Amino acid sequence: QRVLTQPPSSSASPGESARLTCTLPSDINVDGYKMYWYQKKAGSPPRFLLYYYSDSDKGQGSGVPSRFSGSKDASANTGILLISGLQSEDEADYYCMIWPTNTHAVFGGGTKLTVL
Amino acid sequence: EVQLVESGGGLVQPGGSLRLSCAASGFTFSSFEMNWVRQAPGKGLEWVSYISGSGFTIWHAESVKGRFTISRDNAKNSLYLQMNSLRDEDTAVYYCAREAPHATGADYFDYWGQGTLVTVSS
Repeated sequence: QRVLTQPPSSSASPGESARLTCTLPSDINVDGYKMYWYQKKAGSPPRFLLYYYSDSDKGQGSGVPSRFSGSKDASANTGILLISGLQSEDEADYYCMIWPTNTHAVFGGGTKLTVL
Repeated sequence: EVQLVESGGGLVQPGGSLRLSCAASGFTFSSFEMNWVRQAPGKGLEWVSYISGSGFTIWHAESVKGRFTISRDNAKNSLYLQMNSLRDEDTAVYYCAREAPHATGADYFDYWGQGTLVTVSS
């Protein structure tokens, strides 16, 4: 079963910022995990965007613009993907992923981002 | 250039079997951990299986454990997924995905194939 909760949809206008969230269940502390983010467009394989653990441990995918960034809100047990300066090409599905155990990876349900 | 090319998908009846392959090129295949990830029609991504570079360590999602087996042939630069006792809910596009180099200190999937469609239906 999925343990990561993502809002099914989100929307914002070009040039604005989109804040996509990924909430972990209460028995999994977001501070203890690297959170990975992927972008998925119809007809294409997923694309790795970035991972975020802390400000000193994070990484950007190859060729991914710096307007994609990650963070955490520990009070909400949530990982965040922030996309600033939205462009029409950012319209896609976005998935978070963690390895809640050493032997299993789990994706969130995905958020469909619409650029208005 | 890193390339991953899946093959072997198709239409199979419930209870049947299928073997997916993923041909890798452009990197030292044996040095990288590999995974299978699937996406059912209209659904999200689901991690399926993992295999270490040597092939000695494998993990499967609970949804496929006991029915699917991941394997690799490093001499042939190939990854496999043997799928038995297939169910309707296994219908999906199956992607092979390479894990990032150990030097990154992170376990993300940095390269993906284009996927192969498996349809389980009578």
